Amino acid sequence: AQTVTQSQPEMSVQEAETVTLSCTYDTSESDYYLFWYKQPPSRQMILVIRQEAYKQQNATENRFSVNFQKAAKSFSLKISDSQLGDAAMYFCAYRSAQGGSEKLVFGKGTKLTVNP
Amino acid sequence: DGGITQSPKYLFRKEGQNVTLSCEQNLNHDAMYWYRQDPGQGLRLIYYSQIVNDFQKGDIAEGYSVSREKKESFPLTVTSAQKNPTAFYLCASASGGAILNQYFGPGTRLLVL
Repeated sequence: AQTVTQSQPEMSVQEAETVTLSCTYDTSESDYYLFWYKQPPSRQMILVIRQEAYKQQNATENRFSVNFQKAAKSFSLKISDSQLGDAAMYFCAYRSAQGGSEKLVFGKGTKLTVNP
Repeated sequence: DGGITQSPKYLFRKEGQNVTLSCEQNLNHDAMYWYRQDPGQGLRLIYYSQIVNDFQKGDIAEGYSVSREKKESFPLTVTSAQKNPTAFYLCASASGGAILNQYFGPGTRLLVL
């Protein structure tokens, strides 16, 4: 079974600075998808970024980018120019690419605090 | 506006009572999901449905039931067999295709009286 580990329960960053959130995963599959979700105090889960395992290029969405290291099974999220609105829980998630494998496997999350 | 709605926002259950959480989407998504979130934990899959009139158990289906009679709706019933139902419940949906980004509703907080 796949597992996702987020080793940083809490992180903090100064406004306008850069922060990196860590995620590692365990799988025997070669084709899969990785996601970062944001959960603000409202508790609605918001998709931040997605990475396909077959792509070598790291995904980027505006101030959010990932460092995907397939051999090391590592998938970190970098937030540049941090803003107060970035404060939230961040969850890393894994999904198999096999047909019928609908499940997202989530890590336990990292709470990000942004200091003004 | 397109999106996923969940109701109610808060729900209280008495011992031995079944309660139903509503999830509706107008995104024309084929797949729908129910997750449970406990404090300090990530989300765990309860049930999912890829098509109308069909659904599959997730990792923690015991004590829960679902139906998918319409594409837009995927209600979750928390039965009296679920001994620890207090949690935050999130519904999600996804469009067809290989990638299936899941988009989430605002959630329902269930508390036991």
